[in-house]
Amino acid sequence: DVKVTQSSRYLVKRTGEKVFLECVQDMDHENMFWYRQDPGLGLRLIYFSYDVKMKEKGDIPEGYSVSREKKERFSLILESASTNQTSMYLCASRRDRGTYEQYFGPGTRLTVT
Amino acid sequence: RKEVEQDPGPFNVPEGATVAFNCTYSNSASQSFFWYRQDCRKEPKLLMSVYSSGNEDGRFTAQLNRASQYISLLIRDSKLSDSATYLCVVNSLNDMRFGAGTRLTVKP
Repeated sequence: DVKVTQSSRYLVKRTGEKVFLECVQDMDHENMFWYRQDPGLGLRLIYFSYDVKMKEKGDIPEGYSVSREKKERFSLILESASTNQTSMYLCASRRDRGTYEQYFGPGTRLTVT
Repeated sequence: RKEVEQDPGPFNVPEGATVAFNCTYSNSASQSFFWYRQDCRKEPKLLMSVYSSGNEDGRFTAQLNRASQYISLLIRDSKLSDSATYLCVVNSLNDMRFGAGTRLTVKP
């Protein structure tokens, strides 16, 4: 059974704090993604990675960075959290060929106060 | 114009009803299409892929119209457990675009 896990389900941080969100997949997938989901806006891509140490900006990378040192792990970093980064963050992974089905983690609901 | 557009709903239907959702996309080069289901406070999960010839999985039927650039999802004999948000997903060259979702509530 495929599995994507995220380090926290709920997180509360203060403005200006550095925030780390971790994502781990056990399916040996090449591609990993970070999205945020806000009401009425759907899922928006922050960053993605095709392979270890590779990263590409998505649609809304400002205020975020990522790290992929190992194939199974993709981290999202908020360098200095702001209140407009309060959101649901979803990690996903998929193979780089085939059906392109994405498997999502359970999400992290981040609140920045 | 959004790249993938869906009617946000909500759709409130009685059990046993047939309900249809449409989704339009702007990129004519899109190659693959999906419907995902997302329950409240849960992650999206693949419901079904959408093929050019149309495809059916039990009570669910998905269709693709490339000429008009839309996909549809038909749910027959709605169950209470079908209550969820349905996301339309369009992929072109590894660029996956998600609709904002259509919320469905099936009532007794």
